[in-house]
Amino acid sequence: GQQLNQSPQSMFIQEGEDVSMNCTSSSIFNTWLWYKQDPGEGPVLLIALYKAGELTSNGRLTAQFGITRKDSFLNISASIPSDVGIYFCAGQLGGATNKLIFGTGTLLAVQP
Amino acid sequence: GAVVSQHPSRVICKSGTSVKIECRSLDFQATTMFWYRQFPKQSLMLMATSNEGSKATYEQGVEKDKFLINHASLTLSTLTVTSAHPEDSSFYICSARGGTGRQPQHFGDGTRLSIL
Repeated sequence: GQQLNQSPQSMFIQEGEDVSMNCTSSSIFNTWLWYKQDPGEGPVLLIALYKAGELTSNGRLTAQFGITRKDSFLNISASIPSDVGIYFCAGQLGGATNKLIFGTGTLLAVQP
Repeated sequence: GAVVSQHPSRVICKSGTSVKIECRSLDFQATTMFWYRQFPKQSLMLMATSNEGSKATYEQGVEKDKFLINHASLTLSTLTVTSAHPEDSSFYICSARGGTGRQPQHFGDGTRLSIL
């Protein structure tokens, strides 16, 4: 199936550091979403972006919808141990189906 | 708000058994539900899209006779893995989306299926 290119694949950082990850696609999306998944659980929605160029924050998280509509990034500031998990971007196709295409994921490890 | 409940959370059963997984939207009406499969250390792969009262739309390569999907109400969809075999062992996750327009998908906590 189709997947988005997400980078980096993994990150190992110290508590307090800032983190940045991004997704790129050859396709245009109407919506970009960022999810976090903890082991053995389903993804939890972090931020939803609906307009090209949109910059949205949720606490220490900030995400942007790329102008070309083919990319998005997520920044986490002042990381804490509970930020550990796998972060997925997802592009939502338009039309009747509203299917999500997921990125390959970024594993984040935060050392106290 | 936007809570999706998935049951059971874990199933271990013998090869040849059929397994049913339920997905419920607890506090909203889900016009569309989605079923995903996730193998270890991989991303979520969409299996099928389910609209209430109509047949599910399966992604390429997903056997509709193997993975039966029923979406009988606006709050419940079920996935039945028929005659499961060890290669069907995976993490199955549902999501639900309410209404139209700018409504993101909200996910259940997944079902870990292990076929012996």
